[in-house]
Amino acid sequence: EDQVTQSPEALRLQEGESSSLNCSYTVSGLRGLFWYRQDPGKGPEFLFTLYSAGEEKEKERLKATLTKKESFLHITAPKPEDSATYLCAVQEDNYGQNFVFGPGTRLSVLP
Amino acid sequence: GAVVSQHPSWVICKSGTSVKIECRSLDFQATTMFWYRQFPKQSLMLMATSNEGSKATYEQGVEKDKFLINHASLTLSTLTVTSAHPEDSSFYICSVRRLGRYEQYFGPGTRLTVT
Repeated sequence: EDQVTQSPEALRLQEGESSSLNCSYTVSGLRGLFWYRQDPGKGPEFLFTLYSAGEEKEKERLKATLTKKESFLHITAPKPEDSATYLCAVQEDNYGQNFVFGPGTRLSVLP
Repeated sequence: GAVVSQHPSWVICKSGTSVKIECRSLDFQATTMFWYRQFPKQSLMLMATSNEGSKATYEQGVEKDKFLINHASLTLSTLTVTSAHPEDSSFYICSVRRLGRYEQYFGPGTRLTVT
């Protein structure tokens, strides 16, 4: 059975304190891994797609990396506005179009 | 990116009534739309995949007669919660996928409260 886990469950950082969020997955063949940001009471906002091990994507203070078993979302010098829940999702080969979402990491960045 | 709208953004209804939620893809024609539900402090759970012009595919455990999905056009999908009960109270979110791409773009969500 496909499984997507994320750690930590919650993370509190001081403004400017860099850290990383982890997304681990077990699928037989990865078609893509996706990172989203979700603010309370809103739908997820697309951040990145990663397709193969070694791939990296960057956007402002965020950098996503992918290995064969996990992905990291690195947050450099975070600001309070980066506070949100970060979700990863995987799509498996031969599993149609469906995403399997992880439980998310709730990030709080304190000023 | 892509712009996806949902209407209404929140709705309160009485137990036993039906509620319709609309999802519109504003930037492109979406051959496939997805419906998710999310309970407080939980992740998204896929309910069904909606393909334009054909019947929706429901995930295991989702009652297709209770959650009616109609993908009437390439830019509009609707979810109707029939005979709603308090346990149907949740956050319902739709997403769209562009043909040839894998990422999904999500709407802002609809908060349903059944009293």
